[in-house]
Amino acid sequence: SAVISQKPSRDICQRGTSLTIQCQVDSQVTMMFWYRQQPGQSLTLIATANQGSEATYESGFVIDKFPISRPNLTFSTLTVSNLSPEDSSIYLCSVKAGGLSYNEQFFGPGTRLTVL
Amino acid sequence: AQSVTQLDSQVPVFEEAPVELRCNYSSSVSVYLFWYVQYPNQGLQLLLKYLSGSTLVKGINGFEAEFNKSQTSFHLRKPSVHISDTAEYFCAVILNSGGYQKVTFGTGTKLQVIP
Repeated sequence: SAVISQKPSRDICQRGTSLTIQCQVDSQVTMMFWYRQQPGQSLTLIATANQGSEATYESGFVIDKFPISRPNLTFSTLTVSNLSPEDSSIYLCSVKAGGLSYNEQFFGPGTRLTVL
Repeated sequence: AQSVTQLDSQVPVFEEAPVELRCNYSSSVSVYLFWYVQYPNQGLQLLLKYLSGSTLVKGINGFEAEFNKSQTSFHLRKPSVHISDTAEYFCAVILNSGGYQKVTFGTGTKLQVIP
């Protein structure tokens, strides 16, 4: 298993600004994921972030809007840029458990973003 | 591509009553199945998983789920719920086809336990 922490836990931001979310894992992991959970909806994968390579974005998500850094095997950041009220969501960091042949994922507590 | 359907968006149930949360999936290949729980203002926590073997899977907090291949279902059950079970529950599926496969989540079911 893996213990994941996220900062901040919540934030209220003004339209047009940016928010950077940090994700810290207590063990080294190869694959990290960023999800968005819009109000009343399920989780949507934003991108997969592997250490040492560019993040892979899902359809509908672009690097200019959601730049991701992955400087080492225990840390990643997601920036949500040029914020609009539609970006109000919970953003979750997730990692793939090591040593498993299937993709069991563990999730952080999430960052609740409100854009005014 | 696989998909997951959780037909019930909200399920109210009285405390100590049994509950069943429904999950159906579609896939052309075999899958791994998961149930996650999300308590208010928290991230997702794994409740239980089906990988292979016995079709009845027991998880944490007294929950269990049964994999039914013919009906492509993976319903979650608990014989007696507590107030603390109030949360949102997500069914998820991963293709069992080797390598890295993305997780597909259902839309979630909000369980509200009534005192």
